[in-house]
Amino acid sequence: DAKTTQPNSMESNEEEPVHLPCNHSTISGTDYIHWYRQLPSQGPEYVIHGLTSNVNNRMASLAIAEDRKSSTLILHRATLRDAAVYYCILMDGAQKLVFGQGTRLTINP
Amino acid sequence: SAVISQKPSRDICQRGTSLTIQCQVDSQVTMMFWYRQQPGQSLTLIATANQGSEATYESGFVIDKFPISRPNLTFSTLTVSNMSPEDSSIYLCSVPRLAGDVWGYNEQFFGPGTRLTVL
Repeated sequence: DAKTTQPNSMESNEEEPVHLPCNHSTISGTDYIHWYRQLPSQGPEYVIHGLTSNVNNRMASLAIAEDRKSSTLILHRATLRDAAVYYCILMDGAQKLVFGQGTRLTINP
Repeated sequence: SAVISQKPSRDICQRGTSLTIQCQVDSQVTMMFWYRQQPGQSLTLIATANQGSEATYESGFVIDKFPISRPNLTFSTLTVSNMSPEDSSIYLCSVPRLAGDVWGYNEQFFGPGTRLTVL
C-alpha cells in the first residue's frame, strides 16, 4: 500500500483559509488521492478525492501537484466545526482505505 | 449517501467473552469494510466482507479472532472473540458509494462505530 506523510498537527484561526499538505511520493498512476476527516467521537467523513486535476466541492478544494507526489487540501474559510483529524489516503482499485496518522487541525476562535 | 447504523453503540465486556457487532446499511452494497480504531490511534482495516464469499483479512487479523458474516447485501456482523483488554477499541464498518453501475474509486461512508471496553 502506498504511503502518505502529513504533519501531525496544524493550527489556524477561524474564518481564515487552511492549507493541509500531504506527501505521497510513491503514488502509482492509478491511485486516487482521498481526504477524510474525523470529528471528535464520530466515524470518518469523506471530504474530497481526485486523480490528477484539482477538484472543488462544497466542503473543500484539492490541489494536486503536477507530478502527483503531493497534494493540498484547502479549507477556504475555516470554522470551529472544521476542527478534526484530517487523513490523506491513496486508494487503489481494491478500494481499501489505508489510514495514516493524519493531521490534527485546531481552529482558534 | 448511504446511511449506516451499528449495534451496539458501546459495550463493556469481560475478558474471555465474545461480542458480535452488527452493521446495517440502507442500500444494497457489494463490499463492506471493517476497521478498528484503538485509543488515540488511527483506523486499521481488519477485513473486506463481500456478500457470497469469505471475508478477506488484512495482515495481523485472523478469522478465528474476528469472524465475519455477510448474509445479504445490506448487513454484516463482526465478532470479537475471546476478548482481552487489548481489544478495547472502536470498531467501524464502511461501504463505498456506487456511482451509476460502477464501484470505482469513490468515497466511502462510515458507520458511527461501536466502542468496546474489555475489562
